[in-house]
Amino acid sequence: GAGVSQSPSNKVTEKGKDVELRCDPISGHTALYWYRQSLGQGLEFLIYFQGNSAPDKSGLPSDRFSAERTGGSVSTLTIQRTQQEDSAVYLCASSHRGVGNTIYFGEGSWLTVV
Amino acid sequence: RKEVEQDPGPFNVPEGATVAFNCTYSNSASQSFFWYRQDCRKEPKLLMSVYSSGNEDGRFTAQLNRASQYISLLIRDSKLSDSATYLCVVPPGFFGKGNQVVVIP
Repeated sequence: GAGVSQSPSNKVTEKGKDVELRCDPISGHTALYWYRQSLGQGLEFLIYFQGNSAPDKSGLPSDRFSAERTGGSVSTLTIQRTQQEDSAVYLCASSHRGVGNTIYFGEGSWLTVV
Repeated sequence: RKEVEQDPGPFNVPEGATVAFNCTYSNSASQSFFWYRQDCRKEPKLLMSVYSSGNEDGRFTAQLNRASQYISLLIRDSKLSDSATYLCVVPPGFFGKGNQVVVIP
């Protein structure tokens, strides 16, 4: 596709359930980012993938959060045993070759934990 | 992490006035910087890059001060449509919390 594609757009889940959020970056972009943004708050960096390098996972808030990037393209962010405080929009972004290049965002996956 | 810091504001700006704000960064080795604009409940979108020599795009001017490790954004002749949150980003993808600008008629 022409832009970063995320799915689902909206997800309502019960507390304690696991959720998977998918991101399909712009074709050819080697860098992929995940952010979390709670209502009225700034962007919280979660994880950064760059090519075949080990991902920078330093922003993951707890071990309930994990992310994978298969084949250097599609990425999945998994949240296990969701909590109400996990409710936020999860934004995926990609860029060409990473550092120094424009980061393009998807429209986000809006997660509500009830 | 405090790789980048911004004063969230809000910055209430009369229409037609000039507003400016800074973004400080901690990694002195950072080479490239950008300003993004984020509208309410939308994803951030690139506003402009920040070059060492400064960068001007219409009413918007971005500057880099390496010695003091900050970048700045100046908006001249503010329009109502400029109301948004302005985010700075430093490599490899750390965003500030944003400067909220509200342009008042």
